[in-house]
Amino acid sequence: QKEVEQNSGPLSVPEGAIASLNCTYSDRGSQSFFWYRQYSGKSPELIMFIYSNGDKEDGRFTAQLNKASQYVSLLIRDSQPSDSATYLCAVGVRAGGTSYGKLTFGQGTILTVHP
Amino acid sequence: KAGVTQTPRYLIKTRGQQVTLSCSPISGHRSVSWYQQTPGQGLQFLFEYFSETQRNKGNFPGRFSGRQFSNSRSEMNVSTLELGDSALYLCASSLDAGPFHNEQFFGPGTRLTVL
Repeated sequence: QKEVEQNSGPLSVPEGAIASLNCTYSDRGSQSFFWYRQYSGKSPELIMFIYSNGDKEDGRFTAQLNKASQYVSLLIRDSQPSDSATYLCAVGVRAGGTSYGKLTFGQGTILTVHP
Repeated sequence: KAGVTQTPRYLIKTRGQQVTLSCSPISGHRSVSWYQQTPGQGLQFLFEYFSETQRNKGNFPGRFSGRQFSNSRSEMNVSTLELGDSALYLCASSLDAGPFHNEQFFGPGTRLTVL
C-alpha cells in the first residue's frame, strides 16, 4: 500500500463548478497535511495546510481532514480555468526512528477546468 | 520577503560526471529539504538539513549527498551521474525541521539532464 494515494485523474470540471480532490494515507500517526498546486513546468506552490480534524477554509479552497478514516480532501469552489494544474497531496509521516519525519507526496491529480 | 532561490536553473551533464546544486532558503528559515521529481516516480524526498546537520534521509544511493552552511544555504551533490538522474531537483525551505506543523515552500527547481 502506498503511503499517500490520490484519486486517479485527470479530473475535468466546467467553469464555476466545485472540484473535489481526494487523498488517503496509511500512517495513522500522521499529523500534518498539505495541498500543493503545480502548474506545468513550474514548482509546487503551497495552497492549503490542515492539522486538525474538520474543515479549513481559505477563499475558494476548503481542506477537509478525517483522521479516523485517514482521508484528506480539497474542495475548490467556483472553479476557474486558471485552477487547471496538478494538485499534490502531501502528508507528514514518521520516518524510521527519527523524530523529524518527512513529507511524503501522492502522485498528484491533474485538474482541468474548461470554460 | 524573497522566496527560495535555486541555482542553476538548468544543467546538462554527461554520464559519470558530478554536479552541485545550490539552494538559498527564505530569510529566517533554518531548514532545507531536497526532493527529486520525475514523471514516473513523482516527488521523492532526498534529505533534510537543519542547523547544518542532516536530520533525515530518503531512499537514495550514497551518490546523492548534501550539506548546509551556517547561513542556512544548502548544496546537494550527485556524483557519477546516471541517465536515470535526469529530473527536476527541488529544494524546500521551512522554519523548523520536519514536516509536523511546519510548512515547506519550494524553490523554482533545477532541471538536470544527463546525456
